[in-house]
Amino acid sequence: GQQLNQSPQSMFIQEGEDVSMNCTSSSIFNTWLWYKQDPGEGPVLLIALYKAGELTSNGRLTAQFGITRKDSFLNISASIPSDVGIYFCAGGTGNNRKLIWGLGTSLAVNP
Amino acid sequence: KAGVTQTPRYLIKTRGQQVTLSCSPISGHRSVSWYQQTPGQGLQFLFEYFSETQRNKGNFPGRFSGRQFSNSRSEMNVSTLELGDSALYLCASRTSGTSGETQYFGPGTRLLVL
Repeated sequence: GQQLNQSPQSMFIQEGEDVSMNCTSSSIFNTWLWYKQDPGEGPVLLIALYKAGELTSNGRLTAQFGITRKDSFLNISASIPSDVGIYFCAGGTGNNRKLIWGLGTSLAVNP
Repeated sequence: KAGVTQTPRYLIKTRGQQVTLSCSPISGHRSVSWYQQTPGQGLQFLFEYFSETQRNKGNFPGRFSGRQFSNSRSEMNVSTLELGDSALYLCASRTSGTSGETQYFGPGTRLLVL
């Protein structure tokens, strides 16, 4: 199926460091969503973006909807151990009934 | 408000068998979507139901089917299981599936096919 290009695939960082990950696509999207998935659980929505150029924060997380509508990035500042998990981006078109997903960025934080 | 619930959480089947998974959406949500998640393929969309009707479908073979009941609960069925069907099956619900609505995921059913 169709997928977004999400990078990096995995990251291992020290507690307190900042983290950046991104998603790119050859297609245009109307919505960009960022989810986090903990082991054994379903994804939980972190940030939703609905307009090109939009920059939205949720605590230590900041995400941006690229101007071209073909990319998005997520930043995590001052990482802590509970940030560990897999982060997914998803792009939506039209009415967002069928989201296209990235393969995820696995984040490990060394305390 | 209770979240999305899925049963069972874990399941082991053998090749050729069939399986039925269940999903109860958040109260008031009428749209239910199903996804298959595997390490190599990520989240792959299976189908979406709204008001007991399949509204959207991904690229999966006919062995994968689903239905939705009048109370919005949904079931997913996989017939003639194959080894490659081993995956985490996630259900997500939202109010009506219109633009801008957030999907809320359940914890998933982990299926292992031996």
